[in-house]
Amino acid sequence: GENVEQHPSTLSVQEGDSAVIKCTYSDSASNYFPWYKQELGKGPQLIIDIRSNVGEKKDQRIAVTLNKTAKHFSLHITETQPEDSAVYFCAARRYGGSQGNLIFGKGTKLSVKP
Amino acid sequence: GAVVSQHPSRVICKSGTSVKIECRSLDFQATTMFWYRQFPKQSLMLMATSNEGSKATYEQGVEKDKFLINHASLTLSTLTVTSAHPEDSSFYICSPVAGGDAGTQYFGPGTRLTVL
Repeated sequence: GENVEQHPSTLSVQEGDSAVIKCTYSDSASNYFPWYKQELGKGPQLIIDIRSNVGEKKDQRIAVTLNKTAKHFSLHITETQPEDSAVYFCAARRYGGSQGNLIFGKGTKLSVKP
Repeated sequence: GAVVSQHPSRVICKSGTSVKIECRSLDFQATTMFWYRQFPKQSLMLMATSNEGSKATYEQGVEKDKFLINHASLTLSTLTVTSAHPEDSSFYICSPVAGGDAGTQYFGPGTRLTVL
């Protein structure tokens, strides 16, 4: 089955710097890759996602890149702010539509220091 | 954007009681609903998958008679923890999938269950 590895487990950056979180997946049939931000005591919030027919997607300060050949995808946050501090999870899913379930990475705790 | 509500947000109960958690997708229809539990500082663990009108499919190690799932409509799913024990204390999160949105998976705000 699918296995998702996420690195690093913790990341500390200064406000204004960029942060990069990387994930690899094992199932070449996976075709949907969302990223979630989880603040303490809250449910995960979808921040960006990418599908296998796209190599890069950007939404303001957040971008995700996908390398299908290498089976890895990355989250890039530019101009980080203290409110970006949270745990970030990457995930991968094999099926299209609403079938199949997400396989999650173990999470990255991002700390942005003012 | 997609809005998911979960109720209650926190519950404290005595050992042996049952607790029902409701999850609603407020502005979209969820053809599929996932239920997760999450222990402190860990990732999400899938408990079960349900499709509207069908019986839920449980992950290995999750007792179906203990965690009752009802996906009665495209906007409402419930998880009932029966005869709760302290080891059931956890953060429970529902996750509806918007079928009409090419399968985007959203999450509820979670329910913190504490069993005394």
